[in-house]
Amino acid sequence: GAGVSQSPSNKVTEKGKDVELRCDPISGHTALYWYRQSLGQGLEFLIYFQGNSAPDKSGLPSDRFSAERTGGSVSTLTIQRTQQEDSAVYLCASSLAVSQDQYFGPGTRLLVL
Amino acid sequence: EDQVTQSPEALRLQEGESSSLNCSYTVSGLRGLFWYRQDPGKGPEFLFTLYSAGEEKEKERLKATLTKKESFLHITAPKPEDSATYLCAVDEAGSYQLTFGKGTKLSVIP
Repeated sequence: GAGVSQSPSNKVTEKGKDVELRCDPISGHTALYWYRQSLGQGLEFLIYFQGNSAPDKSGLPSDRFSAERTGGSVSTLTIQRTQQEDSAVYLCASSLAVSQDQYFGPGTRLLVL
Repeated sequence: EDQVTQSPEALRLQEGESSSLNCSYTVSGLRGLFWYRQDPGKGPEFLFTLYSAGEEKEKERLKATLTKKESFLHITAPKPEDSATYLCAVDEAGSYQLTFGKGTKLSVIP
């Protein structure tokens, strides 16, 4: 079956612009996660959703970052007023339920100039 | 202090030369330990989940084992297509996020 998909695959933006990253989880997966992977760093947890609610927003780096999930499916990660340090690969994962095996998408490579 | 430490950072093997990758962790209550493979420019690919000390899982040339403090990913007779970065992650009780190590970059030379 189809895996996790993310769009766009690459995004180049100018400092100060807003960007939206999209994640389509595996059908039937109720839990959805966002991570960030910077060059030379491990994967950093950002936020997770159980259904449409986000019980844990502790990983969001600043109030410029927000995420939502609608219909228990698609999720959007929004970064406002992007900064150069936001440049990274943003990865989305989904699982049947929380604490189940997480399956990752291909990521969105964000470059802020 | 890092909760998940992987070693070595990089490993070069000749084709057919077996070896092991290490993942040590310091979380207080382990709910699960995960191994992923990541190829350049791609997202992590799920390999194994281990839940309790003594558990072992195998897939082709890979075998993962778990103790109370660490996990090993054994690679038997590797092939060049096994070249990738191998990531270890832990799911700690009370948390719904995975905490990742920085990975081991494996290169298998023909």
